[in-house]
Amino acid sequence: GAVVSQHPSRVICKSGTSVKIECRSLDFQATTMFWYRQFPKQSLMLMATSNEGSKATYEQGVEKDKFLINHASLTLSTLTVTSAHPEDSSFYICSAWAGGTYEQYFGPGTRLTVT
Amino acid sequence: AQSVTQLGSHVSVSEGALVLLRCNYSSSVPPYLFWYVQYPNQGLQLLLKYTSAATLVKGINGFEAEFKKSETSFHLTKPSAHMSDAAEYFCAVTEGAGGTSYGKLTFGQGTILTVHP
Repeated sequence: GAVVSQHPSRVICKSGTSVKIECRSLDFQATTMFWYRQFPKQSLMLMATSNEGSKATYEQGVEKDKFLINHASLTLSTLTVTSAHPEDSSFYICSAWAGGTYEQYFGPGTRLTVT
Repeated sequence: AQSVTQLGSHVSVSEGALVLLRCNYSSSVPPYLFWYVQYPNQGLQLLLKYTSAATLVKGINGFEAEFKKSETSFHLTKPSAHMSDAAEYFCAVTEGAGGTSYGKLTFGQGTILTVHP
């Protein structure tokens, strides 16, 4: 199947700093990328939908100014957590979708810890 | 609107026993349904998917699921559990083209499968 990578896999940052997470589709072009957040022992919650070349669409309750998403190419989307706080600590997972098949390919996730 | 309910947050079976993980869905349009598996600190791997073709879907690692419209269910089964099946399993639904949630996945709460020797 298609491969999606995320970088970094783990990051620890201090409160108030910003962190950028990259999501890449390695062997296909993704028209859409999705960003999810997963708290311990919970399900995945969709944060936003990112289409190449256009503004991301955020789910209700997700602060667009705090979670900046850029989808500059068909193979790369980035999520920047701005002015991170301890409550932003979570597992962030991206997925890439090429349309048609309805199947999303998931990255391995990024564990963010804010101290 | 779409939603998924997974009955049972934890399921425990013996090695070699039948695995049954339950999933019920709600969707305003014909759904597309998925089962994913997640190992600790990893992303999700697709086990199988239903996209309006055959109602009995076979996936990887011996898993299969049956779409039952009358019961709004998409239960996941495996005839004989293996130790390596221990993981968390998520059922998910999306709407096809024309649906307001086209492409977006809505996940169930997840079911942790434990396999005893």
